[in-house]
Order: sequence, then structure tokens, then C-alpha cells
Amino acid sequence: NAGVTQTPKFQVLKTGQSMTLQCAQDMNHEYMSWYRQDPGMGLRLIHYSVGAGITDQGEVPNGYNVSRSTTEDFPLRLLSAAPSQTSVYFCASSYGSNQPQHFGDGTRLSIL
Amino acid sequence: RKEVEQDPGPFNVPEGATVAFNCTYSNSASQSFFWYRQDCRKEPKLLMSVYSSGNEDGRFTAQLNRASQYISLLIRDSKLSDSATYLCVVNSGGYQKVTFGIGTKLQVIP
Repeated sequence: NAGVTQTPKFQVLKTGQSMTLQCAQDMNHEYMSWYRQDPGMGLRLIHYSVGAGITDQGEVPNGYNVSRSTTEDFPLRLLSAAPSQTSVYFCASSYGSNQPQHFGDGTRLSIL
Repeated sequence: RKEVEQDPGPFNVPEGATVAFNCTYSNSASQSFFWYRQDCRKEPKLLMSVYSSGNEDGRFTAQLNRASQYISLLIRDSKLSDSATYLCVVNSGGYQKVTFGIGTKLQVIP
């Protein structure tokens, strides 16, 4: 079972560039989310989705966009990369809002 | 007060020791609780859910104390492979109310 798949695993961008982090899950989970993890801080929710066509903002949504056209895919777009967005990004999915989440193996993003 | 608080450690324990971590939460309406394990430069992986009655999985025991608003994780007979960061997760209702602790680092020493 693939579970949650994220691509790319590593990326270096220049300030102002845009890019899309891909996330796909094959568990037919309705709920999907994007987190960032920074040293000394817990994972922080960027955006989440409760089903295809439905997305909402999390704790730190500024500078990021999402869409959910299918149950399987939940891409995260950086509109104009800033050094403050240097982080490790995790995508996760779950059956329901109170169920444990399954994480992808992360994308390490550096903005120069 | 932070929503979820954990002692970041590190906890350095010898092989075979018993070690316990606590995680306090501030929202008395919190509904579900989990412990995750995160190895260095890897993704968090679910270790166990925490139920009101307490639950055990092999060498691991998780407990919930609603009155004092904390959850605990007990690891018996520590193995070198238990070395990792343990994250507590508290859900106060809905995806946007899931809060991760910063994690407690455990290092098991030979």
C-alpha cells in the first residue's frame, strides 16, 4: 500500500518563485491536510479539506493555496516563495476529523 | 498557557529502563488524543490512540486523565529502537482544532 505520497522530497527555490507540492493518497480518505514543521514548534496546519471540492484555512494559510478536485489529490501551491516558508511540509489524510492522520514522508523546502 | 505542552527533553535512559512522558492540554472540551512517534527527518507515525479507560500495546501504555487534563505514555523495557521524538496530539473538535505538541525526545542508551 502506497498510503500518502508526496513529491518532491526536496526542493530549493529562489525568493519570488512559485511551485506546487503534490500529495496523493490511495486510502479513499475524505479528510486531507497540509502541515509545516519548524524547529521548536509543533506541526502547524496550513490548509485542510473535508472532501472533494471543499477546502478551508488552517492556522498559517498566508502565502499558500490549495484545491481538491478529486478525493485522491490535494496539491499545495506556494504563490510567491519567501524565506519564511523554508520548512518541512507534511501532507496527511484520515477517515474522519476525529480519526488519526496518516502522513506522507514530507517535502523539505528551502527558499533562498 | 499553550494549548498542548510537552517537555522537549531529551530524556536519556538506559536500555531496559521504564520511562514516562506527560502531555498537558488546556481545552477541557478536547475529544480525542493520540501519541505519534517521529524519527529524525522522518514523518510522524501513529503510535497509539489514547482512550478514556487507558490502553496498552505491548510495552507501551497510554492513559488519559481528564480531571487534570493530561495524557501520558509509559514505555517499559526500553529498546535502542525506541529512540525517537514522541508527539502528543489533541483534537478539540474538527480538523482545524487538532493541536500537535512540540514533542519529547527520547534517547535510549546502551
